Amino acid sequence: NAGVTQTPKFRVLKTGQSMTLLCAQDMNHEYMYWYRQDPGMGLRLIHYSVGEGTTAKGEVPDGYNVSRLKKQNFLLGLESAAPSQTSVYFCASSYGSGDQPQHFGDGTRLSIL
Amino acid sequence: GQQLNQSPQSMFIQEGEDVSMNCTSSSIFNTWLWYKQDPGEGPVLLIALYKAGELTSNGRLTAQFGITRKDSFLNISASIPSDVGIYFCAGLRTSGTYKYIFGTGTRLKVLA
Repeated sequence: NAGVTQTPKFRVLKTGQSMTLLCAQDMNHEYMYWYRQDPGMGLRLIHYSVGEGTTAKGEVPDGYNVSRLKKQNFLLGLESAAPSQTSVYFCASSYGSGDQPQHFGDGTRLSIL
Repeated sequence: GQQLNQSPQSMFIQEGEDVSMNCTSSSIFNTWLWYKQDPGEGPVLLIALYKAGELTSNGRLTAQFGITRKDSFLNISASIPSDVGIYFCAGLRTSGTYKYIFGTGTRLKVLA
C-alpha cells in the first residue's frame, strides 16, 4: 500500500550543487505534480505532467526541470541549487480527468546552504 | 500567484468541542478539496466536493461547497487529540486545467 513515494526524505545541499528528487506512484495514475511548501503559504505548483512523456510548467517553475520518462515516475531536478529553493517538496498524483483529487507523498525536506 | 484565504489561521480548542473553518476566494471554483497534514507527512485527502451547495460527511467531518462557489466550509464535531494538524483547502477553477490552488492552512491544536 505504498501510494506515492518520495526519495530522499531529507537533503542538504550547497549553493550551486545539483540534485534530483524522485517520485514514484503505484496507483497507475496519469497525472503527476510537484509542489513546494513554504511557511505561511499554501502549496505552490512547480511543474506537472498529464501523462508519460509530457510535462508542463506550473506557478513557480523557474530553477527546476522535470521529466516523466515512465508513467509511474516523475523526477524533479535542481540544476544549480539556490538558498531560495530551501523548502519542503511534495509530489502528488491523480487518476483520470484533472478534477480528480490528488494524492500526496510524504515530502522531501531540502535545505540549501 | 493566487491563493485561497483560510480562516482562522490557527485555533486552540478543548477536546470534545466542535470546530469550524472556512476557505474563501474572489473567484468561482468548480471543485473543492479538504486535506489534513500531520507533521512530517504529506496532505491526506479528507473530503472532495463537486457541486455548489453539496454537503458531504466523512465520519466526524462535514464539508460544504458554498452556494456562491467562492467558498467552502469544514466542520469537525466532538474533536479528539488526533485531530491536531494543519487543514488545507484546495480549489479547482476550471475543470481540466489540473491546477488546484491551495489555501494557506488552518493549524488546529486540541487541548485534552
